[in-house]
Amino acid sequence: EAQLVESGGHLVQPGGSLRLSCEASGFTFRSYEMNWVRQTPGKGLEWISYINTNSDLKSYAASVKGRFTISRDNAKNSLYLHLNSLTDDDSGIYYCAREALDSSDSSLDYWGQGTPVTVSS
Amino acid sequence: DIQMTQSPSTLSASVGERVTVTCRASQSIRNFLAWYQHKPGKAPKLLIFKASTLGSGVPSRFSGSGSGTEFTLTISSLQPDDFATYYCQQYNTYSRTFGQGTKVEIK
Repeated sequence: EAQLVESGGHLVQPGGSLRLSCEASGFTFRSYEMNWVRQTPGKGLEWISYINTNSDLKSYAASVKGRFTISRDNAKNSLYLHLNSLTDDDSGIYYCAREALDSSDSSLDYWGQGTPVTVSS
Repeated sequence: DIQMTQSPSTLSASVGERVTVTCRASQSIRNFLAWYQHKPGKAPKLLIFKASTLGSGVPSRFSGSGSGTEFTLTISSLQPDDFATYYCQQYNTYSRTFGQGTKVEIK
């Protein structure tokens, strides 16, 4: 069965940096496009970033563009998110999510349990 | 970016009731819309994709409809396990966006 396990979230000071990881298992990771989604306190789900299978197409939400960088290592079955210039508004739970394999559909069919990020001094 | 607006923000309903949540897109997204269920402390779960296709293992009491800019999620007979927050998400563009969520509470 497909599994996604996030890690790397912790307490960081404003202005700081962090790298989140998502390890995939139970499916052919290199064949799937991937996303990061976060849930911030008191708010709902917010889509953060997308990456295609060979990393030559990436997109970002306006709220994180220029500060966050998505990447992947297909040999390690891993997805990453580098977070820079963090602010209080970036606190929340960060999920990695897999897109459906069907080329006509990009819904998020598998999600990890999330890793918490707290930005505070 | 495409904006997604859900209504209502909160919905109080009883077990057995029919429940409808609406999602509006700021421009046409064809049928590239998904619905998710999210419970505290758990991973979100895909319910509906391509606006009206039921996800794997999702009970048939859930259904989705719509295209273009107007979409609905319907729960035909609310069950105790359905009390959660529901989100729509568009994926018509590479910049995906979620609605703000609809919390379904026990009346």
